[in-house]
Amino acid sequence: EAGVAQSPRYKIIEKRQSVAFWCNPISGHATLYWYQQILGQGPKLLIQFQNNGVVDDSQLPKDRFSAERLKGVDSTLKIQPAKLEDSAVYLCASSSPGTERKTQYFGPGTRLLVL
Amino acid sequence: AQTVTQSQPEMSVQEAETVTLSCTYDTSESNYYLFWYKQPPSRQMILVIRQEAYKQQNATENRFSVNFQKAAKSFSLKISDSQLGDTAMYFCAFMKHNDYKLSFGAGTTVTVRA
Repeated sequence: EAGVAQSPRYKIIEKRQSVAFWCNPISGHATLYWYQQILGQGPKLLIQFQNNGVVDDSQLPKDRFSAERLKGVDSTLKIQPAKLEDSAVYLCASSSPGTERKTQYFGPGTRLLVL
Repeated sequence: AQTVTQSQPEMSVQEAETVTLSCTYDTSESNYYLFWYKQPPSRQMILVIRQEAYKQQNATENRFSVNFQKAAKSFSLKISDSQLGDTAMYFCAFMKHNDYKLSFGAGTTVTVRA
């Protein structure tokens, strides 16, 4: 089965610019997650979707970050305007509603550098 | 919030030998899940092993096994017969039973030497 897909893989922007990341979860996975992984740290959850509804966005900096999951499949994470401290790898993950629902499957990530 | 601590930033091991990674966590929950994830250089994160807190038996997946000590809130990972492909960053993670949010430690970089 195909894994979690993310694009782009790399992005370099200047501060105050905007950027968007795309994620396509594993087919049939109802739950989708966006994580931010700063260099040398573990991933931190930004937002969790169940189908097309938001379950948890308590750690999302809502003044500059937004995310949507239209139709409950693909998702987009946007940063506008970007700051230097947003430089990180943005990971998308998905999980199944079945017996393995506690296991999250990760995509390859998008590495963002803000100059 | 749950806190996951990995006290070893880096570890090095000779090929075919055994290495143990430590992880401790802080929680008031009685039922939860613990995970070890592997993140190879420039590659995606994959699940290595998972443990459910209500199960007393330690989980094992081929060369990977855990030592789960619930009272001590400790969850170490043992990699036996280390292979070059085991070189990666390893993350310990915690999830409450009635939740889907993963809390990660800072990670341990493991280097397997030929």
